[in-house]
Amino acid sequence: DAKTTQPPSMDCAEGRAANLPCNHSTISGNEYVYWYRQIHSQGPQYIIHGLKNNETNEMASLIITEDRKSSTLILPHATLRDTAVYYCIVRVANAGGTSYGKLTFGQGTILTVHP
Amino acid sequence: EAQVTQNPRYLITVTGKKLTVTCSQNMNHEYMSWYRQDPGLGLRQIYYSMNVEVTDKGDVPEGYKVSRKEKRNFPLILESPSPNQTSLYFCASRLGPTHQPQHFGDGTRLSIL
Repeated sequence: DAKTTQPPSMDCAEGRAANLPCNHSTISGNEYVYWYRQIHSQGPQYIIHGLKNNETNEMASLIITEDRKSSTLILPHATLRDTAVYYCIVRVANAGGTSYGKLTFGQGTILTVHP
Repeated sequence: EAQVTQNPRYLITVTGKKLTVTCSQNMNHEYMSWYRQDPGLGLRQIYYSMNVEVTDKGDVPEGYKVSRKEKRNFPLILESPSPNQTSLYFCASRLGPTHQPQHFGDGTRLSIL
């Protein structure tokens, strides 16, 4: 799976958009970009994923650059409850062997939303 | 409601006393797995299962056993727990070999004294 690079921490004011970047310059054509978050020792929560096109759901938007070497997760109106560690993960959909299904979590970005 | 349920949520026990952490999902997912999370080490996969009666080792399987007799259940067994297995454990499930995301349980915090 392609390696990802995220800033270790970011701040955001409540009510403003939070834009979390992720660099995945070695991504392969069949690798998806996934975003998860973990709120203080709770189970990782799936946010959104995409392959090439930009995606939007009720939680967030995912913007993937045309060359797919980087992406941005956008929380349009951050709240205090969005304070969490955000993980960007890149992997193939149907990896075989010991990589089957395994998610490799890096250090992520600690997002702090302040009043 | 679609969910992954782990029990217990918290457990303090002593070295050598066998314990089982249960995991159940109601989404008819083929794939299930167990992770442990430790400070500075992130989440590491212990075991995974691609379907009923099909299990395999992850990155840190030593000291653990699993079984998958039913599709919905994937228990994690510590036959002889030791203090280095004190950790936060998560179970996850996914719909087969697809790009669909994994869903995680709320975690089980184990303390082995």
